[in-house]
Amino acid sequence: DTEVTQTPKHLVMGMTNKKSLKCEQHMGHRAMYWYKQKAKKPPELMFVYSYEKLSINESVPSRFSPECPNSSLLNLHLHALQPEDSALYLCASSRHASGSYNEQFFGPGTRLTVL
Amino acid sequence: DAKTTQPPSMDCAEGRAANLPCNHSTISGNEYVYWYRQIHSQGPQYIIHGLKNNETNEMASLIITEDRKSSTLILPHATLRDTAVYYCIVRLDSGGSNYKLTFGKGTLLTVNP
Repeated sequence: DTEVTQTPKHLVMGMTNKKSLKCEQHMGHRAMYWYKQKAKKPPELMFVYSYEKLSINESVPSRFSPECPNSSLLNLHLHALQPEDSALYLCASSRHASGSYNEQFFGPGTRLTVL
Repeated sequence: DAKTTQPPSMDCAEGRAANLPCNHSTISGNEYVYWYRQIHSQGPQYIIHGLKNNETNEMASLIITEDRKSSTLILPHATLRDTAVYYCIVRLDSGGSNYKLTFGKGTLLTVNP
């Protein structure tokens, strides 16, 4: 299985809602990532998990809260988002967080719209 | 990570080779060149990477100049499904910010029938 899956595909939420994005991989990868991609822009890194521990937070606002319950799952909890947070949220995984031959495999993304 | 420069867009006829250039004149000795692509509304897809030598896999070939200041991704027989944004990324091979993929603006390759 060489796939990273993400649910839901699309999500519409209000600014007062709490929602979660889910990501799953079964490649035995020990690093997982969240990226944010605004329309017509390249993906930007948000968080890196290595061996289920948060290792990198790229100065992301606290209304985004990542969680890694086990080595196969990655969640992104959303609370009190703003309309400008509307974007494609991409999950990725790699064998490790650093080292050679460490290509990242991406999921299809969740298209989030904040009203 | 070293910056990369790519043309914003390119066209290619279906069945012909697509040659996508990338300049990375400030690349250092321990930085790899990676290529990813992103088909519209999908996640990025890893294509190939290399350090010094030319590389080939089932998707593409990567030609890196001897001074390593530029590279070319070659799709030997482009199909309509190869229409995508192609990102050239320079990345450390280990340590430091090796975890990070810094995407530039990429090249939008349009394959025409």
